[in-house]
Amino acid sequence: SQTIHQWPATLVQPVGSPLSLECTVEGTSNPNLYWYRQAAGRGLQLLFYSVGIGQISSEVPQNLSASRPQDRQFILSSKKLLLSDSGFYLCAWRTGEYSYNSPLHFGNGTRLTVT
Amino acid sequence: QKEVEQNSGPLSVPEGAIASLNCTYSDRVSQSFFWYRQYSGKSPELIMSIYSNGDKEDGRFTAQLNKASQYVSLLIRDSQPSDSATYLCAVNPQRSNDYKLSFGAGTTVTVRA
Repeated sequence: SQTIHQWPATLVQPVGSPLSLECTVEGTSNPNLYWYRQAAGRGLQLLFYSVGIGQISSEVPQNLSASRPQDRQFILSSKKLLLSDSGFYLCAWRTGEYSYNSPLHFGNGTRLTVT
Repeated sequence: QKEVEQNSGPLSVPEGAIASLNCTYSDRVSQSFFWYRQYSGKSPELIMSIYSNGDKEDGRFTAQLNKASQYVSLLIRDSQPSDSATYLCAVNPQRSNDYKLSFGAGTTVTVRA
């Protein structure tokens, strides 16, 4: 069966510090990978998605970036965090084949607080 | 017009009652639809997928799809306090080069014991 791992679970970082969140998927190959952010009491905001190694699509211009160095690894980064970057960050995957009929499966999320 | 719209909520129902959640979508060519449950502080969890017009039942959950009306709903029968959560409707576009799932803002359900 497929599993998705996301870490860390919680993170408190000062403004201006760098960020690296990692997500890996097991039990599948060539998945579509996604990073979402959810502000407190708000809906899901798609940040990035990837349909293959090195292929990153950005949905929202901001100080975040994403990379996919391996087939089942997705990394979210920032060089300098802003207060507005606080939120609940969710990694998700779905099968790459016939993806338009497939649901997303979410990791447990990382709660980021920028102080 | 938002791509996916849900009841604004919150929805409060007594224990044992039926909770009815509604979702409309704007993209007429959409073909696959999903309901997620999100407990406070947790990540969304897939609870139902539906692809064809009509009803699909899974335990106490029933999803209903009407593509002509661009409407999908979720019924929770015999609601339990453990059903208290936010429910997200998600819609997949039927376009091979569109990899994004569209989510509604969610409806928060509270089941009163």
